[in-house]
Amino acid sequence: GDSVTQMEGPVTLSEEAFLTINCTYTATGYPSLFWYVQYPGEGLQLLLKATKADDKGSNKGFEATYRKETTSFHLEKGSVQVSDSAVYFCALLYGGATNKLIFGTGTLLAVQP
Amino acid sequence: KAGVTQTPRYLIKTRGQQVTLSCSPISGHRSVSWYQQTPGQGLQFLFEYFSETQRNKGNFPGRFSGRQFSNSRSEMNVSTLELGDSALYLCASSLGDLAGGQETQYFGPGTRLLVL
Repeated sequence: GDSVTQMEGPVTLSEEAFLTINCTYTATGYPSLFWYVQYPGEGLQLLLKATKADDKGSNKGFEATYRKETTSFHLEKGSVQVSDSAVYFCALLYGGATNKLIFGTGTLLAVQP
Repeated sequence: KAGVTQTPRYLIKTRGQQVTLSCSPISGHRSVSWYQQTPGQGLQFLFEYFSETQRNKGNFPGRFSGRQFSNSRSEMNVSTLELGDSALYLCASSLGDLAGGQETQYFGPGTRLLVL
């Protein structure tokens, strides 16, 4: 079945460091891909999305490119801030008859000043 | 535009009781999906409602049910609560146009349920 695999956390970085959180997926078709972020005690916020191969989603300095050849959607940011500390979830939505999001396990990011 | 709202934000119940959670979607959104988040199982899809009809269902027992009203507001109910039902329950709304291939779900803040 469809699935999403994320790199294990926690990821601990110093402020202004470069961030990469790996995400790979398994799907029978061409899903839409998403990154959501969850701050402590809150729900999920959409960070960015891509709906087809080679699309690049971007928001607030974060970027991710939909790579069909490697079935990946890695999240990157050039310079992280303490305020980026949160849990990041990669997810896929397989088009067609379902609106079901399939999530990865989440990656905790801790940014130290 | 107001976001997705969920009530109540926190609940404490005892085993065997039942609980009803409410979700109001973003104005104009016709699809409401529910997810359960636990430390052990992560985020799992419960069900989706569109135009007052359940369109998809996840792999949860029949104790979990839901409904949607004509104004797209949705409720989920859990009967005969078990300790393992303690979780954050998240509601997400979207336009509901599956054929368009551009669906994006927007989440509410969640209801944290503790079963004692």
